[in-house]
Amino acid sequence: QVQLVESGGGVVQPGRSLRLSCAASGFSFGRYGMHWVRQAPGKGLEWVAVIWYDGSRNYLADSVKGRFTISRDNSKNTLYLQMNSQRAEDTAMYYCARDSQPRDPRSGPTFDYWGQGTLVTVSS
Amino acid sequence: QSVLTQPPSVSAAPGQRVTISCSGSSSNIGNNYVSWYQQLPGTAPKLLIYDNNKRPSGIPDRFSGSKSGTSATLGITGLQTGDEADYYCGTWDSSLSAGVFGGGTKVTVL
Repeated sequence: QVQLVESGGGVVQPGRSLRLSCAASGFSFGRYGMHWVRQAPGKGLEWVAVIWYDGSRNYLADSVKGRFTISRDNSKNTLYLQMNSQRAEDTAMYYCARDSQPRDPRSGPTFDYWGQGTLVTVSS
Repeated sequence: QSVLTQPPSVSAAPGQRVTISCSGSSSNIGNNYVSWYQQLPGTAPKLLIYDNNKRPSGIPDRFSGSKSGTSATLGITGLQTGDEADYYCGTWDSSLSAGVFGGGTKVTVL
């Protein structure tokens, strides 16, 4: 069965870095676009980033552009989110999600499988 | 402030029907597919509707989706206590070059 397992969350000081990982199993990882979505405590969902199935293209939300990088290693079935220059407003549960559609995500992503999330807290 | 606008809450009695609106613009809903997600307390979101009106396998036909112009709607019929959750619409915004979600709607079963 499809499984997405995030890891790497924790408490980090403002201005420091953290790298999240999302280990995928149960499907052909290299055939699907992947996303990061976050949710601040008590708040709604916020899309963070997408990476194409082959890693050839990616997009980031304006709120993290220039600070975060999305990448993937299809040989390891793993998605990453490198978070630099962290701010208090980055505090959130971070979910990785698979895009189910075999088309350009820019026509409307479909998040059919989600991980359980990993919590990132930015605090001094 | 979310790019997509949803009502903060809706409520109805068991067995009744509720609808949740999701309002956007030509740069998002007007020209891209919409999906809907259910998030039960303390859990990850779950896909309910994709491509405006399609249901993944396992999602009961009590849940339906539609889109007209720059707005989309999620309908839930035969409301059950287990439907109490937060519901989100989502799509892509071509002007922002980013995925976007609505602010979420809390469904309460009276």
